[in-house]
Amino acid sequence: NAGVTQTPKFQVLKTGQSMTLQCAQDMNHEYMSWYRQDPGMGLRLIHYSVGAGITDQGEVPNGYNVSRSTTEDFPLRLLSAAPSQTSVYFCASSLDRATYGYTFGSGTRLTVV
Amino acid sequence: RKEVEQDPGPFNVPEGATVAFNCTYSNSASQSFFWYRQDCRKEPKLLMSVYSSGNEDGRFTAQLNRASQYISLLIRDSKLSDSATYLCVVRGGGADGLTFGKGTHLIIQP
Repeated sequence: NAGVTQTPKFQVLKTGQSMTLQCAQDMNHEYMSWYRQDPGMGLRLIHYSVGAGITDQGEVPNGYNVSRSTTEDFPLRLLSAAPSQTSVYFCASSLDRATYGYTFGSGTRLTVV
Repeated sequence: RKEVEQDPGPFNVPEGATVAFNCTYSNSASQSFFWYRQDCRKEPKLLMSVYSSGNEDGRFTAQLNRASQYISLLIRDSKLSDSATYLCVVRGGGADGLTFGKGTHLIIQP
C-alpha cells in the first residue's frame, strides 16, 4: 500500500514554462487536494476534488489547473511558471474530509528561476 | 483574518519534561479538529484527532474547549524524537473546510 505518491520530488523551472505535478493514491479515497507551503505562511489550499470529475478552487488557485478523471489521480498543472510559485507542493487525500484526517504525499519542491 | 492561530515558538524543552501548547480558532461553527506533526522538509502526518471529551494516545493528550475556542496538545515524558513542528488543523472556515495553523516548533534538548 503506497498511500499518496507525488512526482517529481524536485523540479527547477524557468519562468514561463509549464509542467504537471503528479499525484496518485491507492487508498480509494474520494477526496483529494493540493496545498502549497511557504515559509511563514502555513499550508494553503490550491484546488480540491470531492470525487472523479469534480474539482473546485481553494484559497490560492490562480496560475494552477487541475483535473480528476479517475479516483486515483489528481494532477496539478502550472500553466506559466512564475517565481512566486516557488514553493513546496503537497498532495493530500482523505476518505472523508469531514471526519478523517488527511494523508499527505511526500511533496514536490519546485523552484522557478 | 487569522482563522487558526498558534504560537510559532520555538519551544525549547529538556528531554523528559512535559510540554503543552495551544491553538485558537475563530470559526465557532468548526466541527472537526486535528493535530498534525511535520518534521523538517517532510510532509505533515496526522498525530491525532481531537474530540470534545478530550482524548489520549500514549504520551499525547488533546483537549478541546469549544466555549473558549481553543485546542491544546500535551506531551508527557518528551523524547528527542518529539522534536518537530506541530500543526493545529480545524474543519471550518477554509474553502474546503480544513484550515491549518502555521505550526508550533518544538525542540527537545538532551
